[in-house]
Amino acid sequence: EVQLLESGGGLVQPGGSLRLSCAASGFTLTSSGVSWVRQAPGKGLEWVSVITSGGSTYYADSVKGRFTVSRDNSKNTLYLQINSLRAEDTAVYYCASVRNGFWGQGTLVTVSS
Amino acid sequence: QTVVTQEPSFSVSPGGTVTLTCGLSSGSVSTSYYPGWYQQTPGQAPRTLIYSTNSRSSGVPDRFSGSILGNKAALTITGAQADDECDYYCVLYMGSGIWMFGGGTKLTVL
Repeated sequence: EVQLLESGGGLVQPGGSLRLSCAASGFTLTSSGVSWVRQAPGKGLEWVSVITSGGSTYYADSVKGRFTVSRDNSKNTLYLQINSLRAEDTAVYYCASVRNGFWGQGTLVTVSS
Repeated sequence: QTVVTQEPSFSVSPGGTVTLTCGLSSGSVSTSYYPGWYQQTPGQAPRTLIYSTNSRSSGVPDRFSGSILGNKAALTITGAQADDECDYYCVLYMGSGIWMFGGGTKLTVL
């Protein structure tokens, strides 16, 4: 059974940083692209970033330059480093292998002073 | 800037059939966009119904099906039930690892 388990969310002040993790089991992160997707309160789903099977990374314009996606193949874990946080980054962050339909349960990031 | 389009809302009678669509503001959707469909109830994570156009996710009943209809991706729900009333999102692959979600459809069963 495939499981994606996010962690690392929390309350952070504007301008702060956070690192989210996504631990995978039953699924090898290098076998397919894996994305971060977020959902602000009361809003729809927004694709944020992806790391492809080959290790290339891509970002939505709204987070480019502030977010960095990476993975540790030995731990089969995906990361999202989030810097210069803004109030509009408040959301539940999901990791997902969108093409295969695998999603985690999400971790909440709240940016507030 | 290309936008993924969905009906903002839709209504279906209990036991009825409804088809939700997922299009592009410019161009046609094909299987090359690997369309996916998600069901989401308030406070819950999205549940994958369909991925890669018409592959049903594990545990999803066969009354949910995906297809390409004309120039759009489509999600058809047959035998609508009360607990099908929630939000439905589609996603399309835009190339270079990038995915784009539609704005979602709020389905009412009444």
